Amino acid sequence: SQQGEEDPQALSIQEGENATMNCSYKTSINNLQWYRQNSGRGLVHLILIRSNEREKHSGRLRVTLDTSKKSSSLLITASRAADTASYFCATVGGNTPLVFGKGTRLSVIA
Amino acid sequence: DAGITQSPRHKVTETGTPVTLRCHQTENHRYMYWYRQDPGHGLRLIHYSYGVKDTDKGEVSDGYSVSRSKTEDFLLTLESATSSQTSVYFCAISEGQSRETQYFGPGTRLLVL
Repeated sequence: SQQGEEDPQALSIQEGENATMNCSYKTSINNLQWYRQNSGRGLVHLILIRSNEREKHSGRLRVTLDTSKKSSSLLITASRAADTASYFCATVGGNTPLVFGKGTRLSVIA
Repeated sequence: DAGITQSPRHKVTETGTPVTLRCHQTENHRYMYWYRQDPGHGLRLIHYSYGVKDTDKGEVSDGYSVSRSKTEDFLLTLESATSSQTSVYFCAISEGQSRETQYFGPGTRLLVL
């Protein structure tokens, strides 16, 4: 069964606005990863945050991790139409492979 | 796509026939994975491999088998295809341990009639 659950399932914003997506999970993790998927394509890794980290940045992306609440958020600042995609969180616990959530569909309207 | 190719990219088959999907990588990574992606379910792990001839089951392995006789190739076989196996299948690799970043292939769209 899925470990991570993204929220919201779908998000529509105007270009230039910030987009925030959340991920909640159930058990302890080694790390949490965010991926993007453009329509009809494979997933692309965005960022990995380890369980002992609280915040990480990569360009316009900011990821936070709160292990006490078992949650993470992905913030995309100054969104662009090209950011339109589905975004997935994936968790790793123990020696098991990644377990993906069902994703958030982001639409950025120009 | 990190040197990962999948073949075929599209396939239509009939219920009851065997189907084999191929994942090929050019960078000698140890870990390889097969996922299926369905609306409302996200990505679910079918099988994965941590070396030649070393494989393990994932969340949705029933009706699927895998083989890895060479580092670069990971084959997924639907022993007797069913309509419920209509899906998009993705192969992925990871550079280090199974917990690290994964890189995905372009996917195979399979329709079972």
